[in-house]
Amino acid sequence: GNSVTQMEGPVTLSEEAFLTINCTYTATGYPSLFWYVQYPGEGLQLLLKATKADDKGSNKGFEATYRKETTSFHLEKGSVQVSDSAVYFCALVHRGSTLGRLYFGRGTQLTVWP
Amino acid sequence: DGGITQSPKYLFRKEGQNVTLSCEQNLNHDAMYWYRQDPGQGLRLIYYSQIVNDFQKGDIAEGYSVSREKKESFPLTVTSAQKNPTAFYLCASRSNTQGSNNQPQHFGDGTRLSIL
Repeated sequence: GNSVTQMEGPVTLSEEAFLTINCTYTATGYPSLFWYVQYPGEGLQLLLKATKADDKGSNKGFEATYRKETTSFHLEKGSVQVSDSAVYFCALVHRGSTLGRLYFGRGTQLTVWP
Repeated sequence: DGGITQSPKYLFRKEGQNVTLSCEQNLNHDAMYWYRQDPGQGLRLIYYSQIVNDFQKGDIAEGYSVSREKKESFPLTVTSAQKNPTAFYLCASRSNTQGSNNQPQHFGDGTRLSIL
């Protein structure tokens, strides 16, 4: 089946620290992978995506590389800001699916202190 | 600007009452989805619809109902049979064109439902 496992939160960092949020997946075939971000009281926004092995998605200083050999899609940022405080969700969609159903991890709460 | 509008932002339900959450999109997307979000549990799929007049149950459909009479609209009714409805509800949509599985779902800002 399809599933996503994220590192447990909460993650608390000081401003300008390096961030890694681990994400691994189980899927039949080759999924497309996504990171979404949710700010307090809001819906989810797409942060970045990768659609095939070795693709690197990047946006707003965040990066994640699709690693087929380790079935991973870890999120990284070199220097976090207070405004990055949010919940981050890793997700996959099975590319063979006509339904386009997303499978989400449980989310990782990030808090950045000044 | 195109997007997804959910209303109301906050909703209160009395015991034994049905309530309906609105979701409207102007992105011309065929597929629409409803998720429930509880603290520490991520998002769980309630219902989804690929085209007008068709919808399927997700993982936690019991106590909920939907309709899809128009492409733009996918309202969710939380019935009195749903015994624990307090949660944050998110609506999403996605294009169903060829190659669309590479396309992300777009989300509304959610409705927070509480019990009085």
